[in-house]
Amino acid sequence: TQLLEQSPQFLSIQEGENLTVYCNSSSVFSSLQWYRQEPGEGPVLLVTVVTGGEVKKLKRLTFQFGDARKDSSLHITAAQPGDTGLYLCAGAGGTSYGKLTFGQGTILTVHP
Amino acid sequence: GAVVSQHPSRVICKSGTSVKIECRSLDFQATTMFWYRQFPKKSLMLMATSNEGSKATYEQGVEKDKFLINHASLTLSTLTVTSAHPEDSSFYICSADNNRGEGGYTFGSGTRLTVV
Repeated sequence: TQLLEQSPQFLSIQEGENLTVYCNSSSVFSSLQWYRQEPGEGPVLLVTVVTGGEVKKLKRLTFQFGDARKDSSLHITAAQPGDTGLYLCAGAGGTSYGKLTFGQGTILTVHP
Repeated sequence: GAVVSQHPSRVICKSGTSVKIECRSLDFQATTMFWYRQFPKKSLMLMATSNEGSKATYEQGVEKDKFLINHASLTLSTLTVTSAHPEDSSFYICSADNNRGEGGYTFGSGTRLTVV
């Protein structure tokens, strides 16, 4: 069974602060995805990282895939209240072919 | 592109009745769809993998006779919660491989089921 440990589970910060969310596993994934979900909605894909060591930027969001493709991080610069939501990392491939392995999720609250 | 439509978004049913949730891929064909269950402020739990034209594959601990899955076409999968009980109340979400490579999946908007 593949596991993806996501931390922290809860993050409450002030507008303008920076934050980092981590996902770690002992398993290798062919790709790792980050999703954002708002209450009552389905997750929306933010980014997919595929290559070990890859870094992708999406405005104030920076995503990194570990060299060994076992871990990933999401860094948000100058967080805004609109960034509030549940952030999920999910690994694809590995031994669970065709399925996504989800982390536990990080509930981010950005206060004005 | 790659839109997944899920209906209904909310449903309230009486204990003992059955509820059907539909998941449609609107602009692509999905040979495989996935059904998840999500508890408040928690991550997604995979319930089953729905395969077009064949039986669904259920995760350990998920009752296949209670959560019936039918994937009769390349654009439609349905999840029927049979003889629903209050403990089945949850947020159910489907997803499909959007065929865009890199393991990308598109999720439906979810169904909030409340069993009273």
